[in-house]
Amino acid sequence: ETGVTQTPRHLVMGMTNKKSLKCEQHLGHNAMYWYKQSAKKPLELMFVYNFKEQTENNSVPSRFSPECPNSSHLFLHLHTLQPEDSALYLCASSQDTGAGTDTQYFGPGTRLTVL
Amino acid sequence: AQSVTQPDIHITVSEGASLELRCNYSYGATPYLFWYVQSPGQGLQLLLKYFSGDTLVQGIKGFEAEFKRSQSSFNLRKPSVHWSDAAEYFCAVGPYSGAGSYQLTFGKGTKLSVIP
Repeated sequence: ETGVTQTPRHLVMGMTNKKSLKCEQHLGHNAMYWYKQSAKKPLELMFVYNFKEQTENNSVPSRFSPECPNSSHLFLHLHTLQPEDSALYLCASSQDTGAGTDTQYFGPGTRLTVL
Repeated sequence: AQSVTQPDIHITVSEGASLELRCNYSYGATPYLFWYVQSPGQGLQLLLKYFSGDTLVQGIKGFEAEFKRSQSSFNLRKPSVHWSDAAEYFCAVGPYSGAGSYQLTFGKGTKLSVIP
């Protein structure tokens, strides 16, 4: 596969469940991102990893836990979510985060519904 | 703080008509500007970007955008819209430095509908 892939594409979970979102990039990039896209709101940056190190955590609640085992893979572990966490979760990658000119390439997203 | 405004939430045009999507930004330095498109059920795809140089930027799928510093705008245009252009379009500005990396600020998006 090429580009940025995300699994699953759709996820329905209860508030007490634990689930994980997976992102994989096949572009040889060193930086990976998690974004939240809610209706009527701009894209919200959640986490940034550069060379496997977390460089940004934009005040995200602890019920979201990211993991970046290597530069190609990024996970978002979910537990005890709230209904307002229902959204499209997008993963992106770029060459690195040290230059503002790097283009971010996005995956198709995981549509999450919390019941 | 940087911000992006896309004043039009939803635009409807007829196939073959011209298109202009507006984007205004607030940024303290020379901005890097991006337009992304999102088709239903898909992620964001980069249409074009401006970093410096010629203020008229050509992108994919026949789109272009013009950077106007005096108006703090970066409007997206297409001379003749195709039905496949129906999607949501996002303007973004950067970079700004967070704690350890450069980040983008996105607008809320403009949804484009195309009438056959």
